[in-house]
Amino acid sequence: DTAVSQTPKYLVTQMGNDKSIKCEQNLGHDTMYWYKQDSKKFLKIMFSYNNKELIINETVPNRFSPKSPDKAHLNLHINSLELGDSAVYFCASSPSTGRGQPQHFGDGTRLSIL
Amino acid sequence: QKEVEQDPGPLSVPEGAIVSLNCTYSNSAFQYFMWYRQYSRKGPELLMYTYSSGNKEDGRFTAQVDKSSKYISLFIRDSQPSDSATYLCAMRKLGNEKLTFGTGTRLTIIP
Repeated sequence: DTAVSQTPKYLVTQMGNDKSIKCEQNLGHDTMYWYKQDSKKFLKIMFSYNNKELIINETVPNRFSPKSPDKAHLNLHINSLELGDSAVYFCASSPSTGRGQPQHFGDGTRLSIL
Repeated sequence: QKEVEQDPGPLSVPEGAIVSLNCTYSNSAFQYFMWYRQYSRKGPELLMYTYSSGNKEDGRFTAQVDKSSKYISLFIRDSQPSDSATYLCAMRKLGNEKLTFGTGTRLTIIP
């Protein structure tokens, strides 16, 4: 069973479109995250939710909107896609906040903007 | 200057060699230190996790943290071709869920 799963794995779309990426974890974790990995492999956090509540919101354009319908799911919606949004987006989860628990990652969604 | 610096490599070593991977950081508030391994087209996979200074060993892997020098290391003994991957160091502050990553070192083990 995949612990943290993301769909789709690949997403190719035109500039200006709106798209969503879904993430689900079956680990029973309370906290979920979205990261962006650029072409140089640098991973940077975007958002974090704990029990459906937003706890980290880095300086991300407001075209990016996370949504957590329940603690096992964290989706990422992106409006008006731009060329610079091309990257790999990773979802991650950890057991709880405040205890330094390590994060477990999905295999990423590769977004390419044409 | 980035908060976490990591030599991007690439690093190539022969099979069986000892590999040393390193990160330096500037923020003394970092308390938790991790090493992740990332294979091509896969997500980062947690390898080692340590809290504060000291050493931790797990099989062929040893993680070292020297907080006084703001320096962490990962050693791989008896390296195998299956160890070929990008290795990312990551760290976080006490009570803060935000992970700050290094840029990753691409490692190739030559059979």
